[in-house]
Amino acid sequence: EAQVTQNPRYLITVTGKKLTVTCSQNMNHEYMSWYRQDPGLGLRQIYYSMNVEVTDKGDVPEGYKVSRKEKRNFPLILESPSPNQTSLYFCASSFVGGGYNEQFFGPGTRLTVL
Amino acid sequence: SQQGEEDPQALSIQEGENATMNCSYKTSINNLQWYRQNSGRGLVHLILIRSNEREKHSGRLRVTLDTSKKSSSLLITASRAADTASYFCATHHSGNTPLVFGKGTRLSVIA
Repeated sequence: EAQVTQNPRYLITVTGKKLTVTCSQNMNHEYMSWYRQDPGLGLRQIYYSMNVEVTDKGDVPEGYKVSRKEKRNFPLILESPSPNQTSLYFCASSFVGGGYNEQFFGPGTRLTVL
Repeated sequence: SQQGEEDPQALSIQEGENATMNCSYKTSINNLQWYRQNSGRGLVHLILIRSNEREKHSGRLRVTLDTSKKSSSLLITASRAADTASYFCATHHSGNTPLVFGKGTRLSVIA
């Protein structure tokens, strides 16, 4: 089944404790992206990757890191999480970059930083 | 901001009625896409309409695009309780620029 998977689905952590949210897609998509969704603010892009070893900042990259060492994986790293990073996070992928094609979304990761 | 804006923010209708949601944007686009999100879940792609298209259909969904008014509408006909969700428009403006999502319309279909 073609899909985007994220892990963990739920995470409660404390300020400053490094964490990684994994994202993997099995559709051989070149483009992958991370969003956060907050009430009243909609979806905001954090980082995106046009292809392996190519990553770029989105609208709200502060406090996040990403890497794209393999085509299928695009982990989101929070080196020192803070409470304002409490949010619902989505990974997405598409065949090519930008918005040319439909994006496939993962199920989401609900993160709470205490 | 290039962010699209959906209107209304929330809509409540009876099962069987039609639901219309609108999206407006500010700068020219390559395409406009509509997505559905069930509560707390990932977004699901519904329809993509390109700037040179005026109307597209998919099942009970009908999307129109008016580039002169910089607006699009999503019509869901004969709504069902299962259509209850948030609906987002997303615009692609040029080249490799990313999709820009609006804040969504919350649709409630009452059985």
